Formats: sequence, structure tokens, C-alpha cells
Amino acid sequence: QVLLQQSGPGLMKPSQTLYLTCAISGDSVSSNRAAWNWVRQSPSRGLEWLGRTYYRSKWYYDYAVSVRSRTTINPDTSKNQFSLQLNSVTPEDTAVYYCVRQDYSRSVPIYNWFDPWGQGTLVTVSS
Amino acid sequence: DVQVTQSPSSLSASVGDRVTITCRASQSISTYLNWYQQKPGKAPNLLIYTASNLQSGVPSGFSGSGSGTDFTLTISSLQPDDFATYFCLQTYSLPYTFGQGTKLEIK
Repeated sequence: QVLLQQSGPGLMKPSQTLYLTCAISGDSVSSNRAAWNWVRQSPSRGLEWLGRTYYRSKWYYDYAVSVRSRTTINPDTSKNQFSLQLNSVTPEDTAVYYCVRQDYSRSVPIYNWFDPWGQGTLVTVSS
Repeated sequence: DVQVTQSPSSLSASVGDRVTITCRASQSISTYLNWYQQKPGKAPNLLIYTASNLQSGVPSGFSGSGSGTDFTLTISSLQPDDFATYFCLQTYSLPYTFGQGTKLEIK
């Protein structure tokens, strides 16, 4: 059973840098059959995919256009976790942030889905 | 980007009712459509993956269908524990996008 455990601050001030980590148990961040995503959820924007990292002989990174310029997702193989760094936060970044594993089917065609999700971290940006 | 339109946004129903929720994609996404249940303050829980596959441990009263652009989540007979918010997710192409959610309430 794969479990994701998130950690990070809940209250931030505008212009600060958000840093969240997601510890993985039951799988490896270097797995060649998974990808590791960050998603956020707010009443105003709904669910929004932020980005992902995955390993296929080398590390790959994908980001949503809306946050690409100020977002970094990094794997940490020594701790079997991955992180989200979001620079220059504003009140519009207030949301619940989730880390999520993207699982891939073993057969062809190779389908994929998000499961499991971390417990979520409510991040509030306020002066 | 693939836009996913989910309907209805809210739904009132009674225990024992049959309920249907739909997601429509702005372009064909084959069967790269997944359904989730979310309860207040909790993380989403996978119900259906690849349009019609029931996730292990999910009650058989849940089912999914569709391909291309039109998808349906059906709850055959509502149970008290089913009152929650449901949303769909397309994982066909980046950026991955979600439906707006359907809040299922007790009538």
C-alpha cells in the first residue's frame, strides 16, 4: 500500500516562498511506473494541477503554465520524497495543496490515474 | 488544454435513488478519465479509473462508462455514505484538468 505524508507550513505572508514535502512509503520516487504530482484546491479555482516529476532513466519535470515561472518540483532519492517550491506567493495561492502519485497500467495501451493522494495541507497566504 | 465540463454542479437525491453525473471533454481523450469522491476535509478517493474500471475496495454500486468526449459516473442505489462531492480528472494530456465537481446532497 502506497502512502503519502505531507509536511510544510500552513500560514505564509505575501512574497514568501512556499516549500512542501511529500514523503513516500510503499513505493520509490525513482519508480519507472509512477510519476509524482502536486495539485491544489481552492473554492475560487477548483482543482488545479501544478506539476510533476518522474524518472525514466533520467528525471523529467512538467509544470502548469500558470505557475511555471515560480515553481520547482524536486525528487529527493535519499529520503524517498519529493517537494514543491512556489516562489513569491500571493493571496491567490491560498489553497489546500495535495501531493499525488500517478499510477500507470502494466498493459498496453498504458493508461494512468492519480492514486493515492496525500492528506492535504491548507496553505493560507495573508499579510 | 483539454477542458472538462462536469454536470450537474449539485444534486439532491434520496437514499436508494439512482444518480448519474457526467463529464464532457473538449476533445477526445479516449478513456483517460477517472472519477473521485471527496468528503469535507479529506483527500479525494479514487472510485473509477480509465473510464470504467472499479478501483479495488470501492462498492459495486459505483460504475463508470464512456469514451471519447462523454463520460458518466453512476451510483445505482444511493447509500448514506455516498453523500459527498464527486469530480472527474482527465489524464490524457498535459495539463491534467479536472471537472468542477458535483456536490451530492440528501434530499
